[in-house]
Amino acid sequence: KQEVTQIPAALSVPEGENLVLNCSFTDSAIYNLQWFRQDPGKGLTSLLLIQSSQREQTSGRLNASLDKSSGRSTLYIAASQPGDSATYLCAVGSNTGKLIFGQGTTLQVKP
Amino acid sequence: NAGVTQTPKFRVLKTGQSMTLLCAQDMNHEYMYWYRQDPGMGLRLIHYSVGEGTTAKGEVPDGYNVSRLKKQNFLLGLESAAPSQTSVYFCASSYSWQGETQYFGPGTRLLVL
Repeated sequence: KQEVTQIPAALSVPEGENLVLNCSFTDSAIYNLQWFRQDPGKGLTSLLLIQSSQREQTSGRLNASLDKSSGRSTLYIAASQPGDSATYLCAVGSNTGKLIFGQGTTLQVKP
Repeated sequence: NAGVTQTPKFRVLKTGQSMTLLCAQDMNHEYMYWYRQDPGMGLRLIHYSVGEGTTAKGEVPDGYNVSRLKKQNFLLGLESAAPSQTSVYFCASSYSWQGETQYFGPGTRLLVL
């Protein structure tokens, strides 16, 4: 059974720092991996989608990498801003189309 | 484009009452999903649909029923609510089954007393 783990559960950094969020999964037979952002009391917003054949995806200050063999993905946020404060969720997609979510990392960027 | 909308936003039920949560999407997506989000448990798939008139069970389907009579709507029903169903419910949709991102609604917060 696929299990997705995100470490740390919470992270607090000063504005301007570069940071890395981690996601690990137990079964390397994945179809894709997605990173989502969730603001308090809101739904999820998709940030990046990496197909299993890809190594990384970039969008603005965000870069997500995928290493299937080691069962790991990272989300790199460059030059963090207070507006980046949110919970970040990773989700692994199988060939059945279902997503398995991690429990998220809550990020606070202090001005 | 409203995307994915959910009604109601918040509801309080007494144990044993029934209710229906409505999800609507205007993106012409074939696939729709219902998740619940609980502290410490993450998001878990309740039911999903791969097209109009179809439904299938997800990870935690017990106590819920769904219907997809129209392509743009996906209904989640609780026939006899239990305190264990207190949660935040999210609907999502996607264009295809694999390799496409899912778009989420804003959520429905349900409290069962």
